[in-house]
Amino acid sequence: KQEVTQIPAALSVPEGENLVLNCSFTDSAIYNLQWFRQDPGKGLTSLLLIQSSQREQTSGRLNASLDKSSGRSTLYIAASQPGDSATYLCAVEDTGRRALTFGSGTRLQVQP
Amino acid sequence: DTAVSQTPKYLVTQMGNDKSIKCEQNLGHDTMYWYKQDSKKFLKIMFSYNNKELIINETVPNRFSPKSPDKAHLNLHINSLELGDSAVYFCASSQLSEAFFGQGTRLTVV
Repeated sequence: KQEVTQIPAALSVPEGENLVLNCSFTDSAIYNLQWFRQDPGKGLTSLLLIQSSQREQTSGRLNASLDKSSGRSTLYIAASQPGDSATYLCAVEDTGRRALTFGSGTRLQVQP
Repeated sequence: DTAVSQTPKYLVTQMGNDKSIKCEQNLGHDTMYWYKQDSKKFLKIMFSYNNKELIINETVPNRFSPKSPDKAHLNLHINSLELGDSAVYFCASSQLSEAFFGQGTRLTVV
């Protein structure tokens, strides 16, 4: 059974700092991996999708990498801003299973 | 134009009642889902439908009955509500790749 772990559970950084959020998964037979952002009381916003054949994806100040063989992904946020404060969720879709397995999230606070 | 919309956004009801949550997607996706986010903010799959057919039922009590009248809609009906059903329920859709989520329905059972 797939398990997804995110470290750290919470992170507080000053504005402008570069940061890395970590995600690990136990079963490497994944179809894709997706990073989401969730603001308090809100829904999930998709940030980046990495297909199993890809190594990384970039969108603006965000870069996500995938190492399928070691069961790891990282989300890199450059030059963090207070507006980046949110919970970041990592989720994997296993090959042949049409559903996402989520990690418990990293709660990020960027201080002005 | 909201891609995945669900109603209502908030639902407060008494134990034992029956309630429904509606979900619609305008993305033309084949697959729709219901996820539950518990009080610890952990998200877990409940149901997955592909082209109106149930493909995943993640050991959810049979008080929960999803219904997909067409590819664009997946509704969730809950019978005999219990206190432990209080959570945020998210509808989502995808087409072999990126998943898009609705804004969630916060269900409170009192």
